Formats: sequence, structure tokens, C-alpha cells
Amino acid sequence: QVRLQESGPRLVKPSETLSLTCTVSGGFSEIYYWTWVRQSPGKGLEWVGYTYYSGNTDYNPSLKSRVTITEDASKHQFSMNLDSVTAADTAVYYCARGNLGLDGYNLIYWGQGIPVIVSS
Amino acid sequence: DIVMTQSPLSLPVSLGEPASISCRCSQSLLYSNGYNYLDWYLQRPGQPPQLLIYLGSKRAPGVPDRFSGSGSGTDFTLKISRVEAEDVGVYYCMQAQQTPPYTFGQGTKLEIK
Repeated sequence: QVRLQESGPRLVKPSETLSLTCTVSGGFSEIYYWTWVRQSPGKGLEWVGYTYYSGNTDYNPSLKSRVTITEDASKHQFSMNLDSVTAADTAVYYCARGNLGLDGYNLIYWGQGIPVIVSS
Repeated sequence: DIVMTQSPLSLPVSLGEPASISCRCSQSLLYSNGYNYLDWYLQRPGQPPQLLIYLGSKRAPGVPDRFSGSGSGTDFTLKISRVEAEDVGVYYCMQAQQTPPYTFGQGTKLEIK
């Protein structure tokens, strides 16, 4: 069974870098699109970006200058760094396994989410 | 970016009654292959989103057949034939075309009346 688990700090100071890791059990393969999605308090879902095919990446243009997603297949993990955070980056961050093909892009497996607060 | 607009934003429904949610997209999601690249997700309270529908009308594995998706191009609808208590949560549409960025609708909160 596929499971994803986010880990990382739950409190980050403004202007610092937020670093989160997603550990995957039950199948880590380069054929999938390893995805980060966030949800600000009381707001909807925002696609952050993904890594695929052993190092390729795509990011949300609204975050592109600040976000980096990497993977470590040997550890069955992928990670997200978000630089120069502000209070607007306070959110629950989800990692998910994406499929992208003739069926389009869809996210069947998700982590439970990790709440992150940006505050001094 | 493609803008997704859902309505209504709040949907009180009695148990056993039908429910319908609309999703309108700023660009057509209909591709030349005949597929509409539109997903529907349900986020139950305290849970991550769950894929319900992909390609506009195909139910994801394990999704009850009371859920159905329809529509084409820029206008889509999610219908629940008979609402059950476990259907409470926020429903999101998401444009699922093969190139990012992927964008979600604002969400429709379904509650039991």
C-alpha cells in the first residue's frame, strides 16, 4: 500500500527557508510526479510543483522564484524548499503522488499534511 | 493560468437528496483526443483531498456510483444522486491538462441541512 508522510519544522521565522520532506512507502518510482500542494488557512488548494523523471521539475509561476523540489530515490523521499517565507506562506503542506498521462494529471495518494506557521 | 470558478460555494443538502456542483473554466479543457482534463476532489474535514472523478466523468477506483461527473469544454458538473453523511466536506474541481500550472476551484462546502 502506498503511503506518504510529510516531515519538517512546524514553525518558521519570516525571511527564512522552509524545508519539508515527504517519505514514500509502497513504491517510489521515477514514472510518478512527486507533488507538493498547499492550503492556506480557510482557503483553497494551491499546486506548488512537482519533480519527475529523476530530477525534472515544474513549479507554480507564483512561487517559481522561491521554490525548489528535489528527490532522493535511494531514501524514497522528495523534498521542498521555499525561500524567503512570509506570513502568506502559512499553510498546510501536502505531498502527493501524481500520475500524468492520457488520463491527465491526478493525485490519488496524499500525505496527511503538515501545518506550517510563519511567525517570529 | 486557467481560472476555475465553482458554484455554489456553500451547499446545504438533506440526507438522501441529490446535489449538484458547477465548475466553469476560463479555457477549454477539451483536447483533440476527445478527453476533458478535469478532476473532482473531495476534502473531508481534517483529511487530505480524495480524487473522485478524472477526465471529467470517470470515477476513481473505489468511488461510489452515486457520484457522477459530466460536461465538456469549459462547463462541468459534479452530481451526487443521494447525499450520505460521509459526503460532507469541500469539493474542488481542478484542471488536469498535461502541462502545469494546475489550478483548483475555490471549493464548494457541502453540509447536511
